[in-house]
Amino acid sequence: LAKTTQPISMDSYEGQEVNITCSHNNIATNDYITWYQQFPSQGPRFIIQGYKTKVTNEVASLFIPADRKSSTLSLPRVSLSDTAVYYCLVGDGKAGTALIFGKGTTLSVSS
Amino acid sequence: GAVVSQHPSRVICKSGTSVKIECRSLDFQATTMFWYRQFPKQSLMLMATSNEGSKATYEQGVEKDKFLINHASLTLSTLTVTSAHPEDSSFYICSARENGRQVGTEAFFGQGTRLTVV
Repeated sequence: LAKTTQPISMDSYEGQEVNITCSHNNIATNDYITWYQQFPSQGPRFIIQGYKTKVTNEVASLFIPADRKSSTLSLPRVSLSDTAVYYCLVGDGKAGTALIFGKGTTLSVSS
Repeated sequence: GAVVSQHPSRVICKSGTSVKIECRSLDFQATTMFWYRQFPKQSLMLMATSNEGSKATYEQGVEKDKFLINHASLTLSTLTVTSAHPEDSSFYICSARENGRQVGTEAFFGQGTRLTVV
């Protein structure tokens, strides 16, 4: 499974756009890139997933360059409630394949 | 959307007793479920892969006789912590993906179980 590297922590203010970049140099051809959010004492929650180029949903955008060796999660106009740990994961997305978590990025949003 | 439910959400038990944690996929079937453990301010660590109708697969360093896993149906997996010790105190989380979906489908996680052994 491809290993991922993210910044340990990031700080932001309410209303700002936050971009969290993840490196996955050894990503395989059939791997997807998925981001999860975790609040204290809760299970991770799916944010967004992509394979290449750009994916956007109602909460975030995911930018993936052509070589797929990195990806950037973009959170527009963050609020205090976006304070959480964000995990970037890479895997084939099969039902029988476990997700292996890295350290994640702790995002702190201040007013 | 798909939901994975864990029960109980928190439990306190005495040293030496056993505790069972249930993980249910409420609106989909999952042949495979996954159990994670998370210590404070650390990431999720995969403990084992639970397979319906067969033995679980444990990660290196996880004692299979201490952490008993039973996946008796396509919607239920249980984790039993046997002879609990205070060092077993942790946050336990289960996860599953829906059978038959195309690859790349997201995994769903339970809300977690906070185990405290006193």
